[in-house]
Amino acid sequence: AQSVTQLGSHVSVSEGALVLLRCNYSSSVPPYLFWYVQYPNQGLQLLLKYTTGATLVKGINGFEAEFKKSETSFHLTKPSAHMSDAAEYFCAVSKGGGSNYKLTFGKGTLLTVNP
Amino acid sequence: NAGVTQTPKFQVLKTGQSMTLQCAQDMNHNSMYWYRQDPGMGLRLIYYSASEGTTDKGEVPNGYNVSRLNKREFSLRLESAAPSQTSVYFCASSELQGAYNEQFFGPGTRLTVL
Repeated sequence: AQSVTQLGSHVSVSEGALVLLRCNYSSSVPPYLFWYVQYPNQGLQLLLKYTTGATLVKGINGFEAEFKKSETSFHLTKPSAHMSDAAEYFCAVSKGGGSNYKLTFGKGTLLTVNP
Repeated sequence: NAGVTQTPKFQVLKTGQSMTLQCAQDMNHNSMYWYRQDPGMGLRLIYYSASEGTTDKGEVPNGYNVSRLNKREFSLRLESAAPSQTSVYFCASSELQGAYNEQFFGPGTRLTVL
């Protein structure tokens, strides 16, 4: 079975500060990894994804994430937070085998940006 | 392209009432999904349809039924609503490529059961 753990259900940063949202996964085979963002009262939209190749992936709005196989991690970062980054962020993993048709989501991290 | 659309956006039901949530996608995706989102629980899969004509249970199927009407449409039915079904419901679609399953989400339906 695969699972996704997001450390910290709520992260608060100041505007201009570094954003770091943590995601660890358990998987016996290399997975596909995703970060989704959910703005208030909206659906989820894809922020970035890891498939194969380069382990540092860049997404929209200045976010990036690094796939570290040895640490089974896919942490999301942004060098300088903006007020508009306030949202909930979800890490998700899909892989082959019996769970082909499912994404497994973490429980989400709510990011607050303080002026 | 509208992507994934859901109707209604909001609904209030009384316990025991029934309703159907509608979902449509215009991306010609083969797979569609229904999730519910509750505070602190993340997203939980209710049902999914890997392809037109097939449906399967997810993590939390009790109290729900689904219909894959055609390739575009996937509906979720609550036969006898209960307060525990108060939630935000999201529909999603994807074009499965092996294990790669990037899903596209609708805007959600906010359901309250009194």
